[in-house]
Amino acid sequence: KAGVTQTPRYLIKTRGQQVTLSCSPISGHRSVSWYQQTPGQGLQFLFEYFSETQRNKGNFPGRFSGRQFSNSRSEMNVSTLELGDSALYLCASSSGTGLSYNEQFFGPGTRLTVL
Amino acid sequence: AQTVTQSQPEMSVQEAETVTLSCTYDTSESDYYLFWYKQPPSRQMILVIRQEAYKQQNATENRFSVNFQKAAKSFSLKISDSQLGDAAMYFCAHLPNFGNEKLTFGTGTRLTIIP
Repeated sequence: KAGVTQTPRYLIKTRGQQVTLSCSPISGHRSVSWYQQTPGQGLQFLFEYFSETQRNKGNFPGRFSGRQFSNSRSEMNVSTLELGDSALYLCASSSGTGLSYNEQFFGPGTRLTVL
Repeated sequence: AQTVTQSQPEMSVQEAETVTLSCTYDTSESDYYLFWYKQPPSRQMILVIRQEAYKQQNATENRFSVNFQKAAKSFSLKISDSQLGDAAMYFCAHLPNFGNEKLTFGTGTRLTIIP
């Protein structure tokens, strides 16, 4: 099986712009979670989507949003970029059934730099 | 809310020796999962080992083992016969039970292997 893929791998934007990142989960997985990794704040949970619905949300401002498509691919969008949004954005997929432990598999991340 | 604390920002160990990474956590739940993830310079998060809170037996995966002390809320990782490929950031993480995919991470420990 192919692993979790994220596109693009690297991105440079300027303050005030918006950006969209994409995550394709492992085939058959229905849950996609997004995490932000920065040197100062570490790894923080953004949100999780399951079957096209946001199931869980972290403590991030409304500038951060996401969605999931019927094929389980997910996108996250950040509007009005700030310098502090520079980070590695990781997505993780799992089967997400909730009936037992579902291992999360991580993608390689998208490195976003805001100038 | 869950918190995960890693008090060792950096550790180093001689190749072939044993090293222990520390982690403490706080949670109000009785059922949960604990993990150690490895993040090498490639930035790909890799699951090293998993522990279910309801299991008293400590998890073991080849050279990696944990010391899980539920009452003390302590979860340390022991790496035996350290190899150069073990050099990475190691993150301790907590996952609530029952379909909640939100991982809470510690701040990480950078492990250096000395040849």
